[in-house]
Order: sequence, then C-alpha cells, then structure tokens
Amino acid sequence: QLQLQESGPGLVEPSETLSLTCTVSGGSISSSSHYWGWLRQTPGKGLEWIGSTYYSGNTYYNPSLKSRVKISVDTSKNHFSLKMTSVTAADTAVYYCANSRPSLDWFDPWGQGTLVTVSS
Amino acid sequence: DIQMTQSPSSLSASVGDRVTITCRASQSIASDLNWYQQKPGKAPKLLIYVASNLQSGVPSRFSGSGSGTDFTLTIGSLQPEDFATYSCQQSYSTPPTFGQGTKVQIK
Repeated sequence: QLQLQESGPGLVEPSETLSLTCTVSGGSISSSSHYWGWLRQTPGKGLEWIGSTYYSGNTYYNPSLKSRVKISVDTSKNHFSLKMTSVTAADTAVYYCANSRPSLDWFDPWGQGTLVTVSS
Repeated sequence: DIQMTQSPSSLSASVGDRVTITCRASQSIASDLNWYQQKPGKAPKLLIYVASNLQSGVPSRFSGSGSGTDFTLTIGSLQPEDFATYSCQQSYSTPPTFGQGTKVQIK
C-alpha cells in the first residue's frame, strides 16, 4: 500500500528557503493514477493546500503561494520536493505530503507530517 | 476561493451518542465534498469522499450526506476511538479548501 514520508529541516531562518522532500513507497511516483501534493496546517489558518504535481512535471499551485513555491518530482528517487522561498514566521506549520487522483479531488494517504519552524 | 464553514467548532458527546457535524460552502460545489478525521499529532485520514462514499476500511457508523452548499457528517453511535477533529474539504474547484475543523470531545 502507498506510503509517504516527509523529510527536511525542522528550523528555517526568516527570509531563507524552506526545502522538504516526500519519499513515496509502495508505489511508483511515475504512475499515471496519482498526483502528489503538499499541504500545511497551522492553528490559525487550519489546513491549506500548497500545490500538487504530476510525474510529467505538470504542476498546480495555490495562487496565494504561487510566487514563492516550487514543487518538483525526481522519478529516479521516487520522491517529490517542495521549495518555498522568502519564508516568514507565518510559514511556521506542520507540512504534509499527500496523494490524490489526477482530478485533484481528495487526499489519501497522507504522510505523517513534519513541523517546520521559521525563526532566527 | 470557496470558503468552507463548519459548525459547531467543537462539541461534547458521550459514547453511544449520535453526532452530526455540518459543513457549508460559500457557493454550490455539487457533491464534491470530502471528510477527514484527525487525531492529535497525526495526519488527517480520509473518511468520506464525494459527499457520501465511505472510504475503504472506515466503519459504517460514519455517513455523509448533502449536495450544493450544505453537507453533514454523521457518526451513528460514537465510539471511544472517534474522539478527534473532523474537517471537510471541497474539491469542486482549485484551490481545494478546508473547513476549520470540528473537535469532538468526551462529555
């Protein structure tokens, strides 16, 4: 069964770039049946979709974050990545990766989540 | 963006109670509504998709209904493992958006 696992630094300095990776196991990231997404959760704003990508590189972003975010796929490593530039304290959140169908409908399964704190 | 509003934001209930949570969309989303359960320190878990379809492995005491702008999640007989936060998510248009969550607590 499909499993996802986030990894990356738990602390990022303000104005720097947040970088996370999601490793997929139990399935191929090159499958035509899947889109691979990033979401985050904060106590104040709740769950927020950041963006989703396909193995071919086709990617959708939340317009509210699009100018600062890039999601990419590495099929050789069966993982996909998130980069968010110019982070501030407002980007402090638990970041999740998740699978969805190409129609970007529901998210299942999710990774366990990783807390990223933006602080100097 | 489509705004999703859940009510109540929290509720207290006893084991065996029937619990209903409401989710309202800021515009019609047909039946493109999904429900998740989240326990402290864990990722959300998909319970119901397309308003009323039970995800595989989810107990039948969970059910969903609604279309258009108004949706409900019902837990037929609350069990100890059901105390958690429940969130709705619309998949009608991009970006997908979530409700703020309803926390179900033990009375």
